[in-house]
Amino acid sequence: KAGVTQTPRYLIKTRGQQVTLSCSPISGHRSVSWYQQTPGQGLQFLFEYFSETQRNKGNFPGRFSGRQFSNSRSEMNVSTLELGDSALYLCASSPMTGVRDEKLFFGSGTQLSVL
Amino acid sequence: AQSVTQLGSHVSVSEGALVLLRCNYSSSVPPYLFWYVQYPNQGLQLLLKYTTGATLVKGINGFEAEFKKSETSFHLTKPSAHMSDAAEYFCAVGDNQGGKLIFGQGTELSVKP
Repeated sequence: KAGVTQTPRYLIKTRGQQVTLSCSPISGHRSVSWYQQTPGQGLQFLFEYFSETQRNKGNFPGRFSGRQFSNSRSEMNVSTLELGDSALYLCASSPMTGVRDEKLFFGSGTQLSVL
Repeated sequence: AQSVTQLGSHVSVSEGALVLLRCNYSSSVPPYLFWYVQYPNQGLQLLLKYTTGATLVKGINGFEAEFKKSETSFHLTKPSAHMSDAAEYFCAVGDNQGGKLIFGQGTELSVKP
């Protein structure tokens, strides 16, 4: 069974641009969540989608948005990029939502650099 | 609110020595706790998790962790470090409503030959 796939692996953008990151979950997994990883802030939760609906959202500005498609694939978008948005963006999938002890399966991430 | 604190951002051990990575949590409800490992240029991989029941949890690659409610701790140990254990380790607590993990800041483990 294929793992969680994130594309692209690396991205370089300039301030003010927008970017879209893609995540394909493990087959059969319906929950997709996104995390931002930076050296200073560590791993921070962005949002979770289940059955095309946002179920949970972290404390990020509205420039960060996401969506999920009927095949469970998810995209996240960041508009008006800032230097501080440079980070590794990790996607994780799981079969269900709302399960506190659910194991998350992580992709390798998209490394975004904002110049 | 739930939170996790990992004591020590860097830990260095010799090959064959005991590995001890510390994690303390704060939770208003019985916690579900996790340890994840991240190898360079990779995503996170689950090592082990504690839900309910036995307080000593065994994971993959010889790691184990003990849940101590009185100390609000969930420290990760391995009796004998291997070079391949060099990675970053994250302790996390499951959110009250599920669907979200709250991570500690991570501990980078170095293993010296």
